[in-house]
Amino acid sequence: GNSVTQMEGPVTLSEEAFLTINCTYTATGYPSLFWYVQYPGEGLQLLLKATKADDKGSNKGFEATYRKETTSFHLEKGSVQVSDSAVYFCALEGAGNMLTFGGGTRLMVKP
Amino acid sequence: NAGVMQNPRHLVRRRGQEARLRCSPMKGHSHVYWYRQLPEEGLKFMVYLQKENIIDESGMPKERFSAEFPKEGPSILRIQQVVRGDSAAYFCASSQDRSSYNSPLHFGNGTRLTVT
Repeated sequence: GNSVTQMEGPVTLSEEAFLTINCTYTATGYPSLFWYVQYPGEGLQLLLKATKADDKGSNKGFEATYRKETTSFHLEKGSVQVSDSAVYFCALEGAGNMLTFGGGTRLMVKP
Repeated sequence: NAGVMQNPRHLVRRRGQEARLRCSPMKGHSHVYWYRQLPEEGLKFMVYLQKENIIDESGMPKERFSAEFPKEGPSILRIQQVVRGDSAAYFCASSQDRSSYNSPLHFGNGTRLTVT
């Protein structure tokens, strides 16, 4: 079946540091890939997405590239802010358009 | 344009009681999904509904859990005879069409169920 594996958190960074959150997946075919962000006390919000190999999704300074050869979709940001503190979920869209989520990675950014 | 509305935000139930969670999708959305998030874990799919129909309930426990999305009114997730292991955050999401890529899911803020 489909599965998504994320690096365990929490990830603690200082403001303006470079961020990478690893995400790898197992799926049949070529699923669409997503990153969602969950701020404290809120639901998930779509951050970015990509539908095919070598596509790069980007939003709010975050980027992720769909790497078919390594089955990965790592999230990156060049300079994080305190306001980026949240839980980040990697997800894939499988058969029947169902989303399978990773376990989430908590990011804490200190001023 | 109001987003996905869930209520209540917090729900406390004693073991053996019933929990009823409500979800009103975004205006114009007819596809509703329920997910459960256990503490420090990711979201697990429970059930996918369209108006008056259950499309996929493969993630729903076979007993005590049920869901509906009537022609009028919100979608309801019902948990009968709750147990402590049901304590979790339950998220509802809606979309305009079935395809998640072209029609992304919009999530509500969740209902946090605590069973004492």
